[in-house]
Amino acid sequence: KNEVEQSPQNLTAQEGEFITINCSYSVGISALHWLQQHPGGGIVSLFMLSSGKKKHGRLIATINIQEKHSSLHITASHPRDSAVYICAPRDLFGNEKLTFGTGTRLTIIP
Amino acid sequence: DSGVTQTPKHLITATGQRVTLRCSPRSGDLSVYWYQQSLDQGLQFLIQYYNGEERAKGNILERFSAQQFPDLHSELNLSSLELGDSALYFCASSPGTSGYNEQFFGPGTRLTVL
Repeated sequence: KNEVEQSPQNLTAQEGEFITINCSYSVGISALHWLQQHPGGGIVSLFMLSSGKKKHGRLIATINIQEKHSSLHITASHPRDSAVYICAPRDLFGNEKLTFGTGTRLTIIP
Repeated sequence: DSGVTQTPKHLITATGQRVTLRCSPRSGDLSVYWYQQSLDQGLQFLIQYYNGEERAKGNILERFSAQQFPDLHSELNLSSLELGDSALYFCASSPGTSGYNEQFFGPGTRLTVL
């Protein structure tokens, strides 16, 4: 069973700050998703990555498969970035089952 | 808007009852996944269907069952409901089952068991 840990669990920052959320997992994976869950409950897939780095706008995700670690960075954070961010590694053996971290609750203060 | 639809948005029912949650995947997606998000357990994978066939099973209780129909919509049936089944139920869809498909989440169904 893949044990997934995220840190920090809660993060409050001022608008404009650079944000880093970390995700570690215990067993080999095929890929990892970063998800964003807004206060209303809806889930949006931000990234799916299996190696290296991806960038969408102010969001950057990196993964090191050998070290079993991924990070999500937000540059120039904004109050609308306030949400819960969840990492979800995917099983190595192709059935696309996701295991979810407990999430990081991010609050950006204007 | 992910293109995945779920109905109903909210459902309130009593213990012992049976409910059916419905999910329509994005156009062209063959895989449907069901997830449960409860306060104490977080997000958990329940089950995956691909083109009508069960593909993977997670922490799905025996009281729960699912199916995917020929038009690719899926239903999650929850029976003999207990208070602890109160949760948000999400479905997601993806194009196939190769290792690198992104999953697109529906808005969820909030189930409250009283």
